[in-house]
Amino acid sequence: DVKVTQSSRYLVKRTGEKVFLECVQDMDHENMFWYRQDPGLGLRLIYFSYDVKMKEKGDIPEGYSVSREKKERFSLILESASTNQTSMYLCASSFAWERTHNEQFFGPGTRLTVL
Amino acid sequence: KNQVEQSPQSLIILEGKNCTLQCNYTVSPFSNLRWYKQDTGRGPVSLTIMTFSENTKSNGRYTATLDADTKQSSLHITASQLSDSASYICVVGGVRSGYALNFGKGTSLLVTP
Repeated sequence: DVKVTQSSRYLVKRTGEKVFLECVQDMDHENMFWYRQDPGLGLRLIYFSYDVKMKEKGDIPEGYSVSREKKERFSLILESASTNQTSMYLCASSFAWERTHNEQFFGPGTRLTVL
Repeated sequence: KNQVEQSPQSLIILEGKNCTLQCNYTVSPFSNLRWYKQDTGRGPVSLTIMTFSENTKSNGRYTATLDADTKQSSLHITASQLSDSASYICVVGGVRSGYALNFGKGTSLLVTP
C-alpha cells in the first residue's frame, strides 16, 4: 500500500512564526504536491515538485515556499504565518511515468490554525 | 473559473438507499476523471479513475459513469451504508495541463440510520 505521511495532524501557531510542514512518501514517487483545502473552495495547489530540488508554483504560491532535498520528502514552509493561512494542508504524491492514470495519493492532512 | 462543477453541494439519504452524484466539467482536451472519497479530517482516497475511452467503472458499491461528449460524469452509490458519509470529489486531468488537476468542490453526503 502506498503511504503518504504528514508530520502533524494538528498544529497551532502564532502570527509571524515560521512553520514547517513535512511530508514523506514511501513509494518512490517522482512527483509530490502541496494543497490547501478550505470550505467552499475545494483543493487548491500551492506547489509541486517533479524531481529532487525541482519545484513549480501552483495556483496559490504566495506566502509559501517548498523544499525537496530528498526524493521521499517534500516540505512546505510558511515564512511568516498569517491568520489567512489557517487551513487544512494536504500532501500528495504520484508516479511520473504514466500521465494518463496519473493518480495522486494523499496524506491524512495537517489542520493548521494560526492565531 | 472553476472547470469542474459538482452537484448537489450536499445530500442526506437514509441507510440502504441509492444515490447519484453529478460532475460536469469543461476541461479540454480531456485526459482522465477520478472520483475521490474524503472522510472528515482525512485525506482523499481514490474510488475510480476513467480515461476518455471508458464510460463506466465500478468499485464495489460505487459505480462511476463518464460521457466525454457531454462532459458529464456521475457516481452512483448502491445500498448506502453509514460509512459512506463523506465528501466526494470529482477531479479532472487535462491533456495539456501536465500534472495539474482540476478539482471540484465536492458533494457532502450524509447517510442516516
